[in-house]
Amino acid sequence: ELKVEQNPLFLSMQEGKNYTIYCNYSTTSDRLYWYRQDPGKSLESLFVLLSNGAVKQEGRLMASLDTKARLSTLHITAAVHDLSATYFCAVDISGSEKLVFGKGMKLTVNP
Amino acid sequence: NAGVTQTPKFQVLKTGQSMTLQCAQDMNHEYMSWYRQDPGMGLRLIHYSVGAGITDQGEVPNGYNVSRSTTEDFPLRLLSAAPSQTSVYFCASRPDRTYYGYTFGSGTRLTVV
Repeated sequence: ELKVEQNPLFLSMQEGKNYTIYCNYSTTSDRLYWYRQDPGKSLESLFVLLSNGAVKQEGRLMASLDTKARLSTLHITAAVHDLSATYFCAVDISGSEKLVFGKGMKLTVNP
Repeated sequence: NAGVTQTPKFQVLKTGQSMTLQCAQDMNHEYMSWYRQDPGMGLRLIHYSVGAGITDQGEVPNGYNVSRSTTEDFPLRLLSAAPSQTSVYFCASRPDRTYYGYTFGSGTRLTVV
């Protein structure tokens, strides 16, 4: 059974600071996804990571994937208040359309 | 393009009632899925479809039925609502497995009393 774990689950940080959050998964997978969710809203796709060593950046967020370690990181650079949201990682079960989500990390960026 | 459209946005049901949550997409996506989101649980897959006429179970399928008669529509049926089915339900779609993440609908907030 594929398990996806995110840590931390809650993070409060100051504007301007950097931080890395982690997503571990338990079995081999083809790809990893990062999503953002604002309170009461739907999920927005941030990154799709397709292979070992993949790195993608969008603004102050950079995601990477290490399939050998079964680990993805989401690095936040010089955080701003607008980044406050819940961030989910999700992983495909190889060979299927079954997407398994982590529990999400609630990020609060304080002025 | 409207993307993924879910109706209704809010619904209150009594225990034992049945209902259908609607999901439609206008992007000609092959793959569609239903998730439920509960506090502290992330999103859990209920059912999914890889094309018209093809459906399969996800992690938490009990109490739900689906069908996929067209590429555009993927309704989720609650057979006999229970308080444990109180949740936010999201429908999502994507064109294929290769390069894309799922596009999510805006969600249906369901309360079963």
